[in-house]
Amino acid sequence: QVQLVQSGAEVKEPGASVKLSCEATGYTFTSHEIHWVRQAPGQGFEWMGKIIASGGSAGYAQKFRGRLTMTRDTSSSTVYMDLSSLRSEDTAVYYCARMVVTARSPPHFDTWGQGTLVTVSS
Amino acid sequence: DIQITQSPSSLAASVGDRVTITCRAGQSIATYLNWYQQKPGKAPNLLIYGASSLQSGVPSRFSGSGSGTDFTLTISSLQPEDFATYYCQQTYSTPHTFGQGTKLEIK
Repeated sequence: QVQLVQSGAEVKEPGASVKLSCEATGYTFTSHEIHWVRQAPGQGFEWMGKIIASGGSAGYAQKFRGRLTMTRDTSSSTVYMDLSSLRSEDTAVYYCARMVVTARSPPHFDTWGQGTLVTVSS
Repeated sequence: DIQITQSPSSLAASVGDRVTITCRAGQSIATYLNWYQQKPGKAPNLLIYGASSLQSGVPSRFSGSGSGTDFTLTISSLQPEDFATYYCQQTYSTPHTFGQGTKLEIK
């Protein structure tokens, strides 16, 4: 079955960087975009950006441009999200999600990773 | 960015009740509106996509409607497992913004 498996929890100091991974299994990796969404404690969701798995091009929310980088490794069907210059407000659970796009239906996230907690604290 | 206003922010209901949650977009998004359910400590689960299409495996008591700017998620007869937080999301344009969520609690 389709699965997205994310890397484990991270604790970082302010100013540091964090690199999270999201391994895709059960489908053709290059057929779908992977998006990243985060959820601060007790809050709603914030869309961060996406990567097109086939070509590797990425797009980011304006808020994160300059400190967010998404990459992918087709040999391992893994997407990476690198967020730099961390601050306390970046403390959140980070999710990767697979986007499904078909001729018959608008885009939607049908599969999500289990989430990775990133804590930014000195 | 397209703003999504979801209401109510919380709702208390009983098993067997019919409940409705609404989302309003700041501009027309056609039917590019999805609904997710989230339980504590878990990732979201897709319920409805394209405003009204039921995701495979989701019980038929869940339904969605709307187009343009106004959308509705309806649960026809609440079951104990339905008490969770519900979010809408637009995928008309990036950033793919979400509603603020509706926490559905037991009355």
